[in-house]
Amino acid sequence: QSALTQPASVSGSPGQSITISCTGTNSDIGGYDSVAWYQQHPGKVPKLMIYEVSNRPSGVSNRFSGSKSGNTASLTISGLQAEDEADYYCSTYTSSTTAYVFGTGTKVTVV
Amino acid sequence: QVQLVQSGAEVKKPGASVRLSCRASGYSFTNYYLHWVRQAPGQGLEWMGVINPTAGSTRYAQSLQDRVTISRDTPTSTVYMEVSSLRSEDTAVYFCARDMSPSSNWCFDLWGQGTMVNVSS
Repeated sequence: QSALTQPASVSGSPGQSITISCTGTNSDIGGYDSVAWYQQHPGKVPKLMIYEVSNRPSGVSNRFSGSKSGNTASLTISGLQAEDEADYYCSTYTSSTTAYVFGTGTKVTVV
Repeated sequence: QVQLVQSGAEVKKPGASVRLSCRASGYSFTNYYLHWVRQAPGQGLEWMGVINPTAGSTRYAQSLQDRVTISRDTPTSTVYMEVSSLRSEDTAVYFCARDMSPSSNWCFDLWGQGTMVNVSS
């Protein structure tokens, strides 16, 4: 099972909106609504930002939103802030034998 | 306080085994599946496996299933993961993570602090 495909990097200016894509197949992204997004600052533990495609855990800013269309999921960060600079990973359950897969990761830079 | 506390860093030689622990506190241990995820230096996240703390049933990533064993000790609310036949490529930070839903939605809302495992001769 290959990792889900994400762009290596995305950048934006403070206040702008950016979108990170996560492309999979019918066996993972397209087949299940268990898509999650995690934020990870350098040397830190991953933090759940979005679960089940578009839901935000308590305490996560409403500047973060998630969606899915076909085999591609997306994370949008609106009103970009310096603190949003981090690595972001998508993930989902998969019907392949490996059961669960993460994306390749995207480094978000606030320029 | 709801938390997962992992065991300390390990240094192992190639071919050896390592056993990591993850102790849960502040919530009902048997209600939530626990997963293991690792991250090699400068690399992305890799899912390794999961255990149902109630039944003790497990599921592993296909690439690791021959070398990984996850178990639990319910009285101490602790999950263990043993990785055998260690290779240099197993050098990574290992995280335990809790499934956020008792029905298991494969989204991880609580993570341990991570355990560094260094495999070197």
